[in-house]
Amino acid sequence: GAVVSQHPSWVICKSGTSVKIECRSLDFQATTMFWYRQFPKQSLMLMATSNEGSKATYEQGVEKDKFLINHASLTLSTLTVTSAHPEDSSFYICSAPGQDDYGYTFGSGTRLTVV
Amino acid sequence: LAKTTQPISMDSYEGQEVNITCSHNNIATNDYITWYQQFPSQGPRFIIQGYKTKVTNEVASLFIPADRKSSTLSLPRVSLSDTAVYYCLVGDEGDTGRRALTFGSGTRLQVQP
Repeated sequence: GAVVSQHPSWVICKSGTSVKIECRSLDFQATTMFWYRQFPKQSLMLMATSNEGSKATYEQGVEKDKFLINHASLTLSTLTVTSAHPEDSSFYICSAPGQDDYGYTFGSGTRLTVV
Repeated sequence: LAKTTQPISMDSYEGQEVNITCSHNNIATNDYITWYQQFPSQGPRFIIQGYKTKVTNEVASLFIPADRKSSTLSLPRVSLSDTAVYYCLVGDEGDTGRRALTFGSGTRLQVQP
């Protein structure tokens, strides 16, 4: 089936630094990528939708200047958490319309810890 | 999008059958019902999808009554590895790719030995 490769699986960074998370669609093209954030024991919350070749669409309350999304190719979307703070520590997951039974494939997630 | 309501948590023992019910009173005519499974520190994984009556695959069964206002995910003979959070989602399959999935609170299933 369709696979979305997400890296890194975990990262620890210092406050004030930036972290980039990559999601690649393997063996299929993803013109759209959805980015979610999940805090401990909570559900997935949609952050933004990235579209290849155009600006990302952010959900209400998500700072576009803090969470930079780039979707430069049909197989790669990146999320950069800029000037990270401890409250940005969370589990970040990407998802792409793929070829699953229901048409959505999820990455394995990235655990971000900001210290 | 139809809102879903499911129990926050459930406990079971190995070898038992587990049934998780999801309410979706405002389901629309074009909506399908889909269940996802999520293990800790992993992305969600598709389990099963249905529109009405009963659907069965190698992992689970999905029972949907005639009014479609609820659905029940049935996991036969659970094992410890079935400990996870299970999400019920309702949406128009025609929106696939155009609209992100909206996750509710999910049901945290804990399987004991």
